[in-house]
Amino acid sequence: KAGVTQTPRYLIKTRGQQVTLSCSPISGHRSVSWYQQTPGQGLQFLFEYFSETQRNKGNFPGRFSGRQFSNSRSEMNVSTLELGDSALYLCASSLPELSGTEAFFGQGTRLTVV
Amino acid sequence: AQKVTQAQTEISVVEKEDVTLDCVYETRDTTYYLFWYKQPPSGELVFLIRRNSFDEQNEISGRYSWNFQKSTSSFNFTITASQVVDSAVYFCALSEAYSGGSNYKLTFGKGTLLTVNP
Repeated sequence: KAGVTQTPRYLIKTRGQQVTLSCSPISGHRSVSWYQQTPGQGLQFLFEYFSETQRNKGNFPGRFSGRQFSNSRSEMNVSTLELGDSALYLCASSLPELSGTEAFFGQGTRLTVV
Repeated sequence: AQKVTQAQTEISVVEKEDVTLDCVYETRDTTYYLFWYKQPPSGELVFLIRRNSFDEQNEISGRYSWNFQKSTSSFNFTITASQVVDSAVYFCALSEAYSGGSNYKLTFGKGTLLTVNP
């Protein structure tokens, strides 16, 4: 069974640009969550999508957005990049129908903003 | 608000030593889930264990064991006879049980970097 796939693995962008990251969940998983990992703040929840709807959002500015497609694949977008957006962005998929099920993570996209 | 504290930032041991990683959590919910994840240098978070708030039984899986104590809000992780391959960052995480049962929002601790030296 294929795991969670994130593309691209590495990105270098310039301040002010925008970026789109992609996540393909495990087959059959309909919940996709995004997390930002930085040395200073650690792992922080960005948002979660289920059935193409955002169900919950973390404490991030509106520059961070996402969406989910009918095949459960998800994208997140960051507009007007800032240096502080440099981070490892992790995507996780899970079976939301099962109470307490674990989330499976991809290898992440490492974004560097210069 | 939920909070997870991993007081140990870094631990260094010699191979074959036992090591315990501490995790203390805060939540106002009566139903919640606790997790441990391992993050090797490749970056992917690898699921290790899940425990719900109603199950205080300790669990052992090979060299790994977990001690969950609601009275002290702790969920500690012990590696017995550590090996070099255990070197990684370990994260403890907490999730509330929202209606519908999904635990899609995890609150993570800052992580403990474990280095096992040969």
